[in-house]
Amino acid sequence: NAGVTQTPKFRVLKTGQSMTLLCAQDMNHEYMYWYRQDPGMGLRLIHYSVGEGTTAKGEVPDGYNVSRLKKQNFLLGLESAAPSQTSVYFCASVRGSSYEQYFGPGTRLTVT
Amino acid sequence: AQSVTQLGSHVSVSEGALVLLRCNYSSSVPPYLFWYVQYPNQGLQLLLKYTSAATLVKGINGFEAEFKKSETSFHLTKPSAHMSDAAEYFCAVRKINNDMRFGAGTRLTVKP
Repeated sequence: NAGVTQTPKFRVLKTGQSMTLLCAQDMNHEYMYWYRQDPGMGLRLIHYSVGEGTTAKGEVPDGYNVSRLKKQNFLLGLESAAPSQTSVYFCASVRGSSYEQYFGPGTRLTVT
Repeated sequence: AQSVTQLGSHVSVSEGALVLLRCNYSSSVPPYLFWYVQYPNQGLQLLLKYTSAATLVKGINGFEAEFKKSETSFHLTKPSAHMSDAAEYFCAVRKINNDMRFGAGTRLTVKP
């Protein structure tokens, strides 16, 4: 199993540009999560999904959108990037009956 | 509301010394609590979890944590630090709607 993969690993955007981050998992997990990690602030939940076709807002959802059209994929979109969205983004997945989150390797995004 | 507070953003111990990383939670219902470890430039890895079974939870790499309801604490300990334990550690709580909240993290340094 590849586990949880994230695409791309690095990206530099200009203010106002858009992009989509892809998270994929091959473990047939029901739940998927998107976090951002900033120094001194730990991980903050952006959006999450408890099943295909469902999404919910987390702690810091503004400026982001998500979609879960397929169970194995969870997409995070930035419609108009801002420098405040410079961060490392992590995706995670969870088997519904368990509580362990499996994390991807992260995407480092810089918005100039 | 459920959240976690990690006391001390940076802890330094000598090799062989006791490791104690502190986490306090606030929760209106019995919580699910976790400790994760992050090595440089990697995603997070689960160390251990509390899901309302035994109050003393043993995890990987010799770590353990004790759930104390009266103190609303879930501190992480290891009797003898090893150089390879140097990393950042995060406490987290899972909310009833499957939302996850992480603490700000504690960076552990191990001195030879």
